[in-house]
Amino acid sequence: EDQVTQSPEALRLQEGESSSLNCSYTVSGLRGLFWYRQDPGKGPEFLFTLYSAGEEKEKERLKATLTKKESFLHITAPKPEDSATYLCAVPNQAGTALIFGKGTTLSVSS
Amino acid sequence: DAGVIQSPRHEVTEMGQEVTLRCKPISGHNSLFWYRQTMMRGLELLIYFNNNVPIDDSGMPEDRFSAKMPNASFSTLKIQPSEPRDSAVYFCASSSQTGREAFFGQGTRLTVV
Repeated sequence: EDQVTQSPEALRLQEGESSSLNCSYTVSGLRGLFWYRQDPGKGPEFLFTLYSAGEEKEKERLKATLTKKESFLHITAPKPEDSATYLCAVPNQAGTALIFGKGTTLSVSS
Repeated sequence: DAGVIQSPRHEVTEMGQEVTLRCKPISGHNSLFWYRQTMMRGLELLIYFNNNVPIDDSGMPEDRFSAKMPNASFSTLKIQPSEPRDSAVYFCASSSQTGREAFFGQGTRLTVV
């Protein structure tokens, strides 16, 4: 049973073209939603943690938001260096480890 | 801190051979995780250690897989015998607290031919 679903699977943008990535989750009693960035050939790199609905976190051109059922990663005026796979994750039922979605692969062309 | 360190970065082995992957977590982190990443299944949790003790190994696919953490600064994941379907990227991650963000190593790309 999928607990974390990300959409779209792939997204191609022109430089400067803003968009959003979606992460929906089905776990009850959310104890945090985590966003990571993964570059080819590298391990996932931690970006943000969100804990409650309405919370927002920002880092450069990225802004993550959280509702009771989903999270969005907004990318404003992206640059080619923002190209990567973005993963979201939630703690498992035991709260001991992170369960990951399959990611959205973002390609930004100049 | 150097971050989570994994070795080797790449491993190519023949079917039936034993493979050992190694991980050094971030100093001071008491939680350690082994994940496997494939195109089809994404990132899957294999096993979780807390304070060097295996807590949840329900993600270990078969008895051919085993993991140890003899001390706070070292863990191994062993596959014996290896099979072509074990080909994947294996990541080690550590965390300072259960349920908090985990920090990943660069991974080991395993190819079993």
